[in-house]
Amino acid sequence: GQQLNQSPQSMFIQEGEDVSMNCTSSSIFNTWLWYKQDPGEGPVLLIALYKAGELTSNGRLTAQFGITRKDSFLNISASIPSDVGIYFCAGQKDTGRRALTFGSGTRLQVQP
Amino acid sequence: DGGITQSPKYLFRKEGQNVTLSCEQNLNHDAMYWYRQDPGQGLRLIYYSQIVNDFQKGDIAEGYSVSREKKESFPLTVTSAQKNPTAFYLCASSMKGPAGELFFGEGSRLTVL
Repeated sequence: GQQLNQSPQSMFIQEGEDVSMNCTSSSIFNTWLWYKQDPGEGPVLLIALYKAGELTSNGRLTAQFGITRKDSFLNISASIPSDVGIYFCAGQKDTGRRALTFGSGTRLQVQP
Repeated sequence: DGGITQSPKYLFRKEGQNVTLSCEQNLNHDAMYWYRQDPGQGLRLIYYSQIVNDFQKGDIAEGYSVSREKKESFPLTVTSAQKNPTAFYLCASSMKGPAGELFFGEGSRLTVL
């Protein structure tokens, strides 16, 4: 299946620092989404992006849909301990298959 | 409360046995999905269904089977043909339409002994 390259694989930061992670693909996607997963739980949607160039915020989170439609990034500002978890990017192609393709995840740890 | 319920949360199985994971949603969503998650990897699509009585193979359907007899339910059977079934299984659902926003259940962890 189509692969999404997500980086970095993991991050260990101090509380209060800003975080940035990104996702790239060799193919075009029409929708980009970012999810967060806590241990032993299902992923929860953070931000959804539907237009190339779109920049959307959700509290301390900001995500952008790349102009080329082949990439997206997620920024977290002023991190707090509860930001700990695995962040996944996901994309949807306009091929009739509405299921999402997921990146391999960025594991974030925050030191209080 | 509306949501997606997966059961059981933990399941142990002996090699050679089939096992069925349950997924029920009361969100009135048309589409439902099954993903598999392995440590350090992203979610991989097993099967999906966009409407009752219809379903499609995903990227890793071999060794799995599904049914969609009711809108609310999308059970996944892990058969003995699945060579490496130990994993975390996630069910999701979404509304009809162009948006790809999936809502996930809490997952079922299957361990083959």
